[in-house]
Amino acid sequence: GENVEQHPSTLSVQEGDSAVIKCTYSDSASNYFPWYKQELGKGPQLIIDIRSNVGEKKDQRIAVTLNKTAKHFSLHITETQPEDSAVYFCAALFTGANSKLTFGKGITLSVRP
Amino acid sequence: NAGVMQNPRHLVRRRGQEARLRCSPMKGHSHVYWYRQLPEEGLKFMVYLQKENIIDESGMPKERFSAEFPKEGPSILRIQQVVRGDSAAYFCASSTYMGGGANVLTFGAGSRLTVL
Repeated sequence: GENVEQHPSTLSVQEGDSAVIKCTYSDSASNYFPWYKQELGKGPQLIIDIRSNVGEKKDQRIAVTLNKTAKHFSLHITETQPEDSAVYFCAALFTGANSKLTFGKGITLSVRP
Repeated sequence: NAGVMQNPRHLVRRRGQEARLRCSPMKGHSHVYWYRQLPEEGLKFMVYLQKENIIDESGMPKERFSAEFPKEGPSILRIQQVVRGDSAAYFCASSTYMGGGANVLTFGAGSRLTVL
């Protein structure tokens, strides 16, 4: 089955700096890669996703890049703000029958004011 | 349009009791997934259900755990004879498309089970 690894496990940045979170996946058949943000006491919320036919996607201050050859994808947050502090999960999925999202362990991002 | 509704939000049980967690998917969603989150860990897949069908229960322990998604009413995750190791946050997610590919998974706020 799919295995998703997420590095590092914690990341601290100064407000205004950029943050990059990396994930690797094992199943070359995976073709959908979402990122979820989880704030304390809440459920995960989708912030951005990318499909395997695209190499990069941007949405305001966040972007995701995908390298299918190396089987890794990254979340980029620019101009970080204190409200970006949360746990971020990457996930991978092959959109076939009976498929399910496999999540990484999550990274705790702290943005220092 | 309410999102995924989970209840109870917090549940305390003593060892040996039963825990029932409920999940009402988003309106129009017919696929439900249950994930478990232990402290400092990621989301571990437990079970994937469609109305009246279990599609994939490969992540669910063989004993004491069961799930259903009846034709009418919410999906229920049932844990019998709870043990301390069952203490965790249980998240439900729903989607309109098998595998969550064409339409994203929307998560509920979770049910936090504490076993004393």
